[in-house]
This record gives sequence, C-alpha cells and structure tokens, in this order.
Amino acid sequence: DTGVSQDPRHKITKRGQNVTFRCDPISEHNRLYWYRQTLGQGPEFLTYFQNEAQLEKSRLLSDRFSAERPKGSFSTLEIQRTEQGDSAMYLCASSQTGGWNTEAFFGQGTRLTVV
Amino acid sequence: TQLLEQSPQFLSIQEGENLTVYCNSSSVFSSLQWYRQEPGEGPVLLVTVVTGGEVKKLKRLTFQFGDARKDSSLHITAAQPGDTGLYLCAGHQTGANNLFFGTGTRLTVIP
Repeated sequence: DTGVSQDPRHKITKRGQNVTFRCDPISEHNRLYWYRQTLGQGPEFLTYFQNEAQLEKSRLLSDRFSAERPKGSFSTLEIQRTEQGDSAMYLCASSQTGGWNTEAFFGQGTRLTVV
Repeated sequence: TQLLEQSPQFLSIQEGENLTVYCNSSSVFSSLQWYRQEPGEGPVLLVTVVTGGEVKKLKRLTFQFGDARKDSSLHITAAQPGDTGLYLCAGHQTGANNLFFGTGTRLTVIP
C-alpha cells in the first residue's frame, strides 16, 4: 500500500497523559498537513510542513501540541497533558508542491479518546 | 465561525432520487474541492474546480463552482446506496497553505 499511513488507528488515553501519532506520507510528496476532525464536523487545519520546515500553525494548535517532520519524510504529532476536549480524529494528508489544485491524499486517521 | 457552510447537514433519500448539496461562503476561493468520507476513513477527493462558473461531471455527480467563486454545489442523479457518506467541500484561498473544510453533509441513500 503506497497511500498515506497513520499509526495508531485508535488510541485511548487517560486525561493528563501524553500521546504521539505518526504519519507516513506518500514518498514523493513534499507537503504534509495535519487536521483534526470532531464528530459531525469537517476537518480543521492544525499545521503544514513543506519538506522538514513547519510553515504554518493554526491557533488551534495550543502549546500542548507539537508536530515535527525531522527528515522531511514521516511526521509526528504529540499532545502533552491530554484533555477530554482533545478527543477527535486526527487526519494527516500529503501532496506534491503545486498547492491545493494538486490532489491531496488523506490517511485513515488516528481516533483519539481521552477518558 | 465556519468559513464554508454546507446545507443540508443531513439528507436521507430513497435509491433513484436526485439530490443537491450546497456549499456557501462570503469569501472568495481560488479553488474548491469536494471530498467524500466514509466512517472511520479519511476524506477522498472527488473533484477540484478552479474557474468561476465551471461545471464538472463525474458519472452521476455534477459539480458547479459559482461565478463569483464563493459557492459550489454537488448534484447527484439517481442516487445509489453506494453514494452514502459524508460529503465535504473544501476551499483554498490564494496565498494560504491550508484548506478550509465545510461543515459536511451526511447523505444516506436507502435501498
């Protein structure tokens, strides 16, 4: 499978714990995006990387959230001191340079439940 | 505040019926995309429209971009149970890196 891969698919954690999600984009794609989707809503933009550079962060990305893409390939999203409001589907997408007129491929997402 | 509003939010129809989903905004977009998302999966791109007034057809699906590039519609002819899913519109603004998603329309086609 050469699509966008996210791991884990599901994560249940206790409030206050730290969690880390991984995204492996399509290999030739240099752009990588993280989105968050809550039940009944459309995805909300969190952050964007071009290669290893994090070029944009949403105000939704509080200080407890950090994302990295150290080698311009896979990316990680860490949430520290999780809160119940962090429960959501976290989606990763990748695309080639060319903007959103170029098709973006989404992964299957990581569903986080904070109890 | 949602940049893109979709209507209706929920739609349940019988197989064979036609339907239209709307995506509206007060902002101008350089391009607009439609996705379909199934439970537990990520969104899958259906189409991208970039020119005001543009109409694109994908089998039984017809997509239209408004003349002012502020709105779009998706029309499905003779809906089938396989069309069931969450339909999302998403817009890209010039100079922005991210894609703004609409609120979504959850479609159920009953056999």
